Amino acid sequence: DIQMTQSPSSVSASVGDRVTITCRASQGISSWLAWYQQKPGKAPKLLIYAASSLQSGVPSRFSGSGSGTDFTLTISSLQPEDFATYYCQQANSFPLFTFGPGTKVDIK
Amino acid sequence: QLQLQESGPGLVKPSETLSLTCTVSGGSISSSSYYWGWIRQPPGKGLEWIGSIYYSGSTYYNPSLKSRVTISVDTSKNQFSLKLSSVTAADTAVYYCARHSRVAVRGVISFPTDYWGQGTLVTVSS
Repeated sequence: DIQMTQSPSSVSASVGDRVTITCRASQGISSWLAWYQQKPGKAPKLLIYAASSLQSGVPSRFSGSGSGTDFTLTISSLQPEDFATYYCQQANSFPLFTFGPGTKVDIK
Repeated sequence: QLQLQESGPGLVKPSETLSLTCTVSGGSISSSSYYWGWIRQPPGKGLEWIGSIYYSGSTYYNPSLKSRVTISVDTSKNQFSLKLSSVTAADTAVYYCARHSRVAVRGVISFPTDYWGQGTLVTVSS
């Protein structure tokens, strides 16, 4: 089974900061990676798919990169509405999915 | 606008079977471009994929839950359903139904989960 790890598990940041979250797969998954944002009491929202493609309607301050085993989600300038938990998801073994444990971004 | 709505009991007794239905509106469940899935989230914890189904009825399950999970589809009602047997308190979670869409990027076919239901909390307790 492919295992996903994320770092950090939480990060405190200020509005305007650049935030980077890393996701690592236990084996190569090509570009089969997506990123989701989840706010308390809400369903997750798709941000990035295929490692670096921005989902329609998602602000351009969000970007994704990476391939193989190491991936990154970057928020270029953190906005108040970006405080949330972020999850990566692999689909290399589609239709078998695995989520990462999540990274909580909170206010410094 | 596509909408997914979960329905089913919010309370299930230990050892019984959890049953949920997802009704899809604003689009057809029978499209070849989509898979339909169930994902859960225990209170305060992360996301766990349970399983997915294609409109033809082909199913795919999380190996850790496979022995207890059945997902089915009813294309005439535009619905798909989840059954999880022999539940325990560890199955208490918010259950989401969702759509995985087939997209092609630089020659790579991907299936991001682009639509989610609002989620329904199922508590396992006597």
